[in-house]
Amino acid sequence: GAVVSQHPSRVICKSGTSVKIECRSLDFQATTMFWYRQFPKKSLMLMATSNEGSKATYEQGVEKDKFLINHASLTLSTLTVTSAHPEDSSFYICSAPEADTQYFGPGTRLTVL
Amino acid sequence: GNSVTQMEGPVTLSEEAFLTINCTYTATGYPSLFWYVQYPGEGLQLLLKATKADDKGSNKGFEATYRKETTSFHLEKGSVQVSDSAVYFCALVRNPGTALIFGKGTTLSVSS
Repeated sequence: GAVVSQHPSRVICKSGTSVKIECRSLDFQATTMFWYRQFPKKSLMLMATSNEGSKATYEQGVEKDKFLINHASLTLSTLTVTSAHPEDSSFYICSAPEADTQYFGPGTRLTVL
Repeated sequence: GNSVTQMEGPVTLSEEAFLTINCTYTATGYPSLFWYVQYPGEGLQLLLKATKADDKGSNKGFEATYRKETTSFHLEKGSVQVSDSAVYFCALVRNPGTALIFGKGTTLSVSS
């Protein structure tokens, strides 16, 4: 199947700093990618849809100025958590559709001190 | 709206036991249905899928059949192994290329 990578896999940062997470489709092109946040009780929350060449579409309640998404090319989307705070600590996962299936990255564990 | 409901568990089984994780959905039209598995500290991996009614998805001994009449897509495995311990997510997508709608996930723990 198709492969999606994420980088970094883990990041620890100080409160107030910004963190960038990359999501790449390695062997296919993706005009759309999705960013999810996973909470400790397992549930996945769709944060936004990343669209190549246009603005991202954010889900209700997600601050677009805090979670900046850029879909720079057909194989790369980035999520930047700006002015991170401890409550932003979470597991962030991206996915990209290829044909009728979505493929997920391995996730990024963000810890904000 | 579209939604997925699955048993949350945890489900605790002994090795070689039979597994069923129930999943039902609400959706208009004809969604595609999926089971994803997440091992500790990792992302989600596609386990199996079915794109139309009566299709059976299967992989690694797991099976699920798309039942439109009962709007269900229950996951089954005849004999679980310790290595099957993970979180299992049922999901649907209304149209290809759009976001998945997930159930809340079911934690499976298999002991030897």
